Amino acid sequence: AQSVTQPDIHITVSEGASLELRCNYSYGATPYLFWYVQSPGQGLQLLLKYFSGDTLVQGIKGFEAEFKRSQSSFNLRKPSVHWSDAAEYFCAVGARGGATNKLIFGTGTLLAVQP
Amino acid sequence: KAGVTQTPRYLIKTRGQQVTLSCSPISGHRSVSWYQQTPGQGLQFLFEYFSETQRNKGNFPGRFSGRQFSNSRSEMNVSTLELGDSALYLCASSLGDRGNNSPLHFGNGTRLTVT
Repeated sequence: AQSVTQPDIHITVSEGASLELRCNYSYGATPYLFWYVQSPGQGLQLLLKYFSGDTLVQGIKGFEAEFKRSQSSFNLRKPSVHWSDAAEYFCAVGARGGATNKLIFGTGTLLAVQP
Repeated sequence: KAGVTQTPRYLIKTRGQQVTLSCSPISGHRSVSWYQQTPGQGLQFLFEYFSETQRNKGNFPGRFSGRQFSNSRSEMNVSTLELGDSALYLCASSLGDRGNNSPLHFGNGTRLTVT
């Protein structure tokens, strides 16, 4: 079955510290991969996406993610976290080449940033 | 360019009633998808419309339905509401013509509370 696993439900980091959020997927073939962020009371905002090519992708707000095919992972990283990064982060996968925009989301990781 | 607009933002209904939620996509976007977000089940795909046709459907009962109009605006309807239908309903639009090559842009959602 297709699924996305975000093993960390809640993470707390200090402002200025580095961050890594984990994402593993189970899929028949290499899917399209996405990271979205959701602030309280808001919808989801796309941080970055992986379609093909360079396995290290850059996104908005200083985030990057690395696709590792051998580990079926797509971890999100940021070298220095800002207080405004506190939010919930979702990893998602979508089918390649199909005529659909359906995404399968992980359960999310809630990030808290302490001063 | 205006983003995805969902109305209303908040809704309170009683069990057994029906409800209609509205979504206006980004101008030029022809695909509209709907997701249900709850603390227990996370983000779950409801359905997707493209050029007024439903092209994908999630695993929800027939009480959940939707439609898309010629101007790409979409509505979803839930009949015979149950307490478990309380959730944040998110609409997302995309160009949609090449499946997941077109990232989703989410609205801020409609918060439905069923009492």
